[in-house]
Formats: sequence, structure tokens, C-alpha cells
Amino acid sequence: GAGVSQSPSNKVTEKGKDVELRCDPISGHTALYWYRQSLGQGLEFLIYFQGNSAPDKSGLPSDRFSAERTGGSVSTLTIQRTQQEDSAVYLCASSFRDRGETQYFGPGTRLLVL
Amino acid sequence: AQSVTQLDSQVPVFEEAPVELRCNYSSSVSVYLFWYVQYPNQGLQLLLKYLSGSTLVKGINGFEAEFNKSQTSFHLRKPSVHISDTAEYFCAVRGYTGTASKLTFGTGTRLQVTL
Repeated sequence: GAGVSQSPSNKVTEKGKDVELRCDPISGHTALYWYRQSLGQGLEFLIYFQGNSAPDKSGLPSDRFSAERTGGSVSTLTIQRTQQEDSAVYLCASSFRDRGETQYFGPGTRLLVL
Repeated sequence: AQSVTQLDSQVPVFEEAPVELRCNYSSSVSVYLFWYVQYPNQGLQLLLKYLSGSTLVKGINGFEAEFNKSQTSFHLRKPSVHISDTAEYFCAVRGYTGTASKLTFGTGTRLQVTL
């Protein structure tokens, strides 16, 4: 596709359930980022993938959060045992490495934990 | 580490009036600077960016920003706003490569344009 896509666009879940959020980056982009946008915290970095390098997980808020990137393309962000404070919009972005000054964002997944 | 300050959480302005949205940053390394816009219920869209060279950067929709290294600022301006410019505007910085390439965002400025 022409841009970054994310699915689902909306997700409602019950506290304690696990959720998976998917990101399809722009074809050819080697760098992939996850961010979270919430009312209390604004836009915050979660995790960064670059090619086959070990991901930068420094932004993950707890060990309930994990992410993987298969084949250097699609990424899945998993939240285990969801809590109400996990409710937010999860944004994915991708860019070219080193030429990749610009990160292109997907539309986001709006997660609501009841 | 980097940080971004957007002092104005909301900026109300009349249509066709000029506007300036302020952004100041702090960083121990050289950075790239960005302005993103977020329309209601949409993702982030790049307005403009400063990488190097001319400190006056022009972006989409008639916006421009000026990088001021001595004042560590990157204020966004538009000489005449339109109703359709109503949105949330985010200033962001990032390092050049590797783990520093993650974006650090300001808290956002809501631009409200009225007739």
C-alpha cells in the first residue's frame, strides 16, 4: 500500500485480556516505531525496530508489553493482561534508515479497556 | 536525551489572521526538527521538517517554521489561517540515527480557527 496501515482501527477489550495490534509499514522502510497517545501522557515512544538489529525497548511501560517484527516488515504489538490505563491510541510509524529523517505514521489503533 | 516544550496548549485565532505556534527544545546532541498535524480522529501528518541548511523551512498548507539554534526554538507560522487549519499541532525532535532516532514530542497545541 501507499502508506502505513494498522489494524484493527478500534479495539474494545475487558480488563485482564490480551490484545494484539498490527502494523504494516511502507514497503522498503527498514525502521519501524510504535508510539502511544493518551490523554495523560501525550505522545510517547514505545519501541523501535531497525532491520535485524535488536529492538530498542526502552519505552515499553511494563513487561506486559511486547512487540515483534517478522521478516523485517509487519509488526505486532502485544499487551498482556490489559489494564484500564492501557487505553490509548497506539500509533505505528516507519522510515528509511539513515535517509529516514521522516517517520510516516499510520492512522492508529484506538484501544479501550473496560 | 531530548525534550520539547510547547508552551501554548490552545491557540484561538480568527480566520485569515496570522498565527505562531511556539516550540522550544532541549538536546545534548544535534537533532532534526519536525512539525506534525493531527486532524480530529486521524493519524499524524508531517507538516514540515528541518534537517540542515536554510533555517527557514516551508511546509504544506502554507505553513513555515524557522530554526533558531541560539534560542533552541522551532516556531511554526502561517500568515493567514483557514477554518480547515483547526487541528492539533505537535513539535518533535529526534537524533540522527539508531536509538536516538525515536521522536520526542511536545504536548501539542490545539489551534482553533473561528470565523
